[in-house]
Amino acid sequence: GQNIDQPTEMTATEGAIVQINCTYQTSGFNGLFWYQQHAGEAPTFLSYNVLDGLEEKGRFSSFLSRSKGYSYLLLKELQMKDSASYLCAVTDSNYQLIWGAGTKLIIKP
Amino acid sequence: TAGITQAPTSQILAAGRSMTLRCTQDMRHNAMYWYRQDLGLGLRLIHYSNTAGTTGKGEVPDGYSVSRANTDDFPLTLASAVPSQTSVYFCASSPGEGGETQYFGPGTRLLVL
Repeated sequence: GQNIDQPTEMTATEGAIVQINCTYQTSGFNGLFWYQQHAGEAPTFLSYNVLDGLEEKGRFSSFLSRSKGYSYLLLKELQMKDSASYLCAVTDSNYQLIWGAGTKLIIKP
Repeated sequence: TAGITQAPTSQILAAGRSMTLRCTQDMRHNAMYWYRQDLGLGLRLIHYSNTAGTTGKGEVPDGYSVSRANTDDFPLTLASAVPSQTSVYFCASSPGEGGETQYFGPGTRLLVL
């Protein structure tokens, strides 16, 4: 079966750095997405990785290792507005998106 | 630009009644999707459409139907609602089919009693 695992919840301090991990087992791989979802709102696109390595975009970076079936989202200089759920999703061999359940990130002052 | 709009924002529906959730996008995207999101579970695909005139079944299609008469609209119909269909429903679109970034509407919160 297809499976994407993320921690259910994480807590971090304002101004700090946090890493949210995602491991996947899917039938084929055609890319990995990270989305941010604030409570009561729609998911919004953060990043996309299809090749191994690190993609940096401002305070957010995303890393991919295809051989390990592993990705992480790194958030630096945390702000209170970063409190949200972070969703990992993988495109499988049929180009369908398989979604993880999401990681709820709580930022404390 | 509005992007993707969904209607209604929320609804309480009696079990056994039918309902259509509306979704409209103005980005001229080819592909559109319907998801449901339940607490503790990831987004689950209900139905999708890669282009106007075509539709396909996702992971959880039972009890739902869709149509794609034109590029902009992708309505989702519940023929006879059941309490297990209580959920938040998101419509999304992407420029092309498969593997491209999806853009989401604001969601419809449905309670079936």
